[in-house]
Amino acid sequence: DAMVIQNPRYQVTQFGKPVTLSCSQTLNHNVMYWYQQKSSQAPKLLFHYYDKDFNNEADTPDNFQSRRPNTSFCFLDIRSPGLGDAAMYLCATSRDRSGSDEQYFGPGTRLTVT
Amino acid sequence: GQNIDQPTEMTATEGAIVQINCTYQTSGFNGLFWYQQHAGEAPTFLSYNVLDGLEEKGRFSSFLSRSKGYSYLLLKELQMKDSASYLCAVQDSNYQLIWGAGTKLIIKP
Repeated sequence: DAMVIQNPRYQVTQFGKPVTLSCSQTLNHNVMYWYQQKSSQAPKLLFHYYDKDFNNEADTPDNFQSRRPNTSFCFLDIRSPGLGDAAMYLCATSRDRSGSDEQYFGPGTRLTVT
Repeated sequence: GQNIDQPTEMTATEGAIVQINCTYQTSGFNGLFWYQQHAGEAPTFLSYNVLDGLEEKGRFSSFLSRSKGYSYLLLKELQMKDSASYLCAVQDSNYQLIWGAGTKLIIKP
């Protein structure tokens, strides 16, 4: 089945220790998104790729970086995680950015910072 | 600024009907989405409205009034598995999704 896969599902890292979260998709979608979601809050868009074109949200901290080496894969790098970065990180894809293109979400990676 | 408002929490009884409202103020409008999110899981797509009116899909229906900046999600014949958060999201003029914080729906037997 075509899908969005995130690894790992649960990640524990130490304060200040770099961590990388991965996302892959078999949908062949042009757009890939990374969201941060904290408990009972709306998903917060960190950045998205439209094909190879990287789009950073204005309020995304420099501590967060992303790479998309090919259509199928996208990575989220957190260079120096702080306690406030503990959250669920959701990867999503969409076929395009037009109005009716729904986003398909992976299962998420829950990040704990100790 | 851009804003999506939804009630924080609602409670309903199994078998009943519930309406979850969403009001929005965004820079432009290119459609409104409803997603369902079970606790600890990713959001899943429920519906999309871009024109005024009601879209029906099984037990779920979604309504949109663009002039009022208003939508609702109607859930009929509620089941215990419908206990989840329901997120309203509006696509603005830049095709960015602006998300509400979600409405936690609690279903009681």
